[in-house]
Amino acid sequence: AQSVTQLGSHVSVSEGALVLLRCNYSSSVPPYLFWYVQYPNQGLQLLLKYTSAATLVKGINGFEAEFKKSETSFHLTKPSAHMSDAAEYFCAVSQGNQFYFGTGTSLTVIP
Amino acid sequence: NAGVTQTPKFQVLKTGQSMTLQCAQDMNHEYMSWYRQDPGMGLRLIHYSVGAGITDQGEVPNGYNVSRSTTEDFPLRLLSAAPSQTSVYFCASSRQITNTGELFFGEGSRLTVL
Repeated sequence: AQSVTQLGSHVSVSEGALVLLRCNYSSSVPPYLFWYVQYPNQGLQLLLKYTSAATLVKGINGFEAEFKKSETSFHLTKPSAHMSDAAEYFCAVSQGNQFYFGTGTSLTVIP
Repeated sequence: NAGVTQTPKFQVLKTGQSMTLQCAQDMNHEYMSWYRQDPGMGLRLIHYSVGAGITDQGEVPNGYNVSRSTTEDFPLRLLSAAPSQTSVYFCASSRQITNTGELFFGEGSRLTVL
């Protein structure tokens, strides 16, 4: 089975600062990778996905992620944090008919 | 734009009671799934279905039953609730059953078992 590791269960950044949320996966073959965002009391929404077309993937709300096979990583970044980015972020890997989620990173944006 | 609809949003049960969490989608998605979300553990797959009449177990299936009689509906049944089943449950569907399909989530059902 796949596994996904998100380093840092809580990340705080100042408004306007760089956002970096880390995700590493375990896979012996190129995976399909996803980042989802969850706002309070809501379901998860897709931010972006990697499906082997390009290593740098751009998503909604200014987020992007880079697939690095050598590091088995798929870190999420945003150049300038906004207050509305405060949420929980989940990295996920899919294999066959199953998705495997990381434990999540809660992002706090400090005004 | 209904998408994935879950009911109820909140439920309190006593140990040993049974109940069904309902999930319906109006996107004609073949793939549907149930997850539970617990603090510090992310989302864990309970059961999934790749089409009407086809279901399979995920990572944490014990204590839960599912059926898929129609493309639209995928109910999750708790036969005898236990406090360990206190959680937030999410239903999710996908158009594709291959690796590249994105999941569309419902808003969740918060279950408390006393």
